[in-house]
Amino acid sequence: DAEITQSPRHKITETGRQVTLACHQTWNHNNMFWYRQDLGHGLRLIHYSYGVQDTNKGEVSDGYSVSRSNTEDLPLTLESAASSQTSVYFCASAGGALGTGELFFGEGSRLTVL
Amino acid sequence: SQQGEEDPQALSIQEGENATMNCSYKTSINNLQWYRQNSGRGLVHLILIRSNEREKHSGRLRVTLDTSKKSSSLLITASRAADTASYFCATPDSWGKLQFGAGTQVVVTP
Repeated sequence: DAEITQSPRHKITETGRQVTLACHQTWNHNNMFWYRQDLGHGLRLIHYSYGVQDTNKGEVSDGYSVSRSNTEDLPLTLESAASSQTSVYFCASAGGALGTGELFFGEGSRLTVL
Repeated sequence: SQQGEEDPQALSIQEGENATMNCSYKTSINNLQWYRQNSGRGLVHLILIRSNEREKHSGRLRVTLDTSKKSSSLLITASRAADTASYFCATPDSWGKLQFGAGTQVVVTP
């Protein structure tokens, strides 16, 4: 069965370190997204991609970067982790025209920055 | 910024009762989606209702959409303990990216 997987599921790191969260989907979807979820804020979009070599900034992109070298993967990198980036991160993918169908979510990556 | 906002923020009911939650949004949409999130898990798509639809059913779920009031409701009938979760509405922005509300936390007690 097609799926979307995130790793690691839990990570503790220190302020200033670089962290990469992996996202891999086997749906063959062109559209991929990274959200962060914090209490009181719901899900906020960090970065997204419409296809290979395409990346775009979302509403809370500062301090984060993504790259899309193939259809299946959209890794999220925190260049220099800050305590404000402690959160739960969700990767999602969608096929078809953007906004017309459902998103498929991974199980999340809980990141703690000390 | 959030496009949709759910109401209430939290809801506690007993098994067998119905649960209703509402979503208000700000701009014109072509569809509205509802998702469920169990504790510690990712979001799961429940139902999509298009702007030309007023009501849609899926099992024990009933969704309504009132585009004139820019609001939607999700009704869960005959709730079960397994329905305990957070429920989110989501609407696409003008570029098609989904924007989520803060969610309604539903607790169903046996």
